[in-house]
Amino acid sequence: GENVEQHPSTLSVQEGDSAVIKCTYSDSASNYFPWYKQELGKGPQLIIDIRSNVGEKKDQRIAVTLNKTAKHFSLHITETQPEDSAVYFCAARDTGRRALTFGSGTRLQVQP
Amino acid sequence: NAGVTQTPKFRVLKTGQSMTLLCAQDMNHEYMYWYRQDPGMGLRLIHYSVGEGTTAKGEVPDGYNVSRLKKQNFLLGLESAAPSQTSVYFCASSVGTAPLHFGNGTRLTVT
Repeated sequence: GENVEQHPSTLSVQEGDSAVIKCTYSDSASNYFPWYKQELGKGPQLIIDIRSNVGEKKDQRIAVTLNKTAKHFSLHITETQPEDSAVYFCAARDTGRRALTFGSGTRLQVQP
Repeated sequence: NAGVTQTPKFRVLKTGQSMTLLCAQDMNHEYMYWYRQDPGMGLRLIHYSVGEGTTAKGEVPDGYNVSRLKKQNFLLGLESAAPSQTSVYFCASSVGTAPLHFGNGTRLTVT
């Protein structure tokens, strides 16, 4: 099955700085890579996703990049704000199980 | 439109007891999933269903059973709870395999 590794496990930035979270995946057949944000006491919520036929996707302050050759993808958050503080998960579609395999999560802390 | 609703929100069990976690979705989604979340391990897939009456094993299925008798409900059962099953359990649903819509979780403690 698919294996997804995520780094770093914790990230602390100053408000206004950028934050980058990186993930690698193992299944070269994977074709869908979403990112989820989880706030305390809540379930994860989709914030952005990318498919394997696209190299980059942006949505306001959030962007995701994908390098299929190297099998890695990254989340970029610019002009961070305190409300960006949360746990972020990357995921890749497991083509064998028709389900998402998640990374281990990154706790982002934005210091005001 | 409630989305994905999980019942109960919290539960404490003694080792060997049984219980059922209920997940209900009102979005007419075909796919439903059960994940468990443990510190430092992300979300791991327990079981999933691609339609009413069908279920399949995920990454960590041992000690759990599931049923999908109705399209809108997906039940997760623990027949004989063990301390290793202490976790936060999330249900999710989707049209196709993505994007997933998650419930707010059930926090289970087994003593």
